[in-house]
Amino acid sequence: KNQVEQSPQSLIILEGKNCTLQCNYTVSPFSNLRWYKQDTGRGPVSLTIMTFSENTKSNGRYTATLDADTKQSSLHITASQLSDSASYICVVSGRDNTGGFKTIFGAGTRLFVKA
Amino acid sequence: GAVVSQHPSWVICKSGTSVKIECRSLDFQATTMFWYRQFPKQSLMLMATSNEGSKATYEQGVEKDKFLINHASLTLSTLTVTSAHPEDSSFYICSASRSGRTYNEQFFGPGTRLTVL
Repeated sequence: KNQVEQSPQSLIILEGKNCTLQCNYTVSPFSNLRWYKQDTGRGPVSLTIMTFSENTKSNGRYTATLDADTKQSSLHITASQLSDSASYICVVSGRDNTGGFKTIFGAGTRLFVKA
Repeated sequence: GAVVSQHPSWVICKSGTSVKIECRSLDFQATTMFWYRQFPKQSLMLMATSNEGSKATYEQGVEKDKFLINHASLTLSTLTVTSAHPEDSSFYICSASRSGRTYNEQFFGPGTRLTVL
């Protein structure tokens, strides 16, 4: 079982609508959680980065929330646009037992925004 | 700031040839660079972690003799796929981490599409 689980796997919404993507993780101890947007055939682009003490972070129409107690994060997209069609990847970093960092990628949610 | 480039953006080669992919951090120094591969509709899979001036650390199952990584400077890492075969066809993405950061924020390159015929 992946230490970072994303849901749904894919999502289709109409342009202008809002949507929320979920990320549950078991990485512990936890350092930071990042959401990336990856367009098809391109590298991921960072949307938000949150550390343990942060509950919410916004970047334009993207708002990420984090509940470190329940180990859950969500990415809310407001007033979706056709250009929001992409994969959204949740990435969690934490310290491993050697004191170094480990970074776990979620499988991503593929979002399709239709006109 | 924090721009990472890759070259080439796509490459087609014959089976048995070697292909070199470059990853450059354009406006910052990166002590650590990461190489990923991504198959269609799948997430990124870390192949190796490359630290400037030292040998790369490969993930389990990744052949270090097949995927040669060189990180000779703070702004350049290269991945060479040796004796490429069709099953090596994939999307290869690098990322770079700034020097001195206490958490490994990564900046990703645009990726290189490799097709082996």
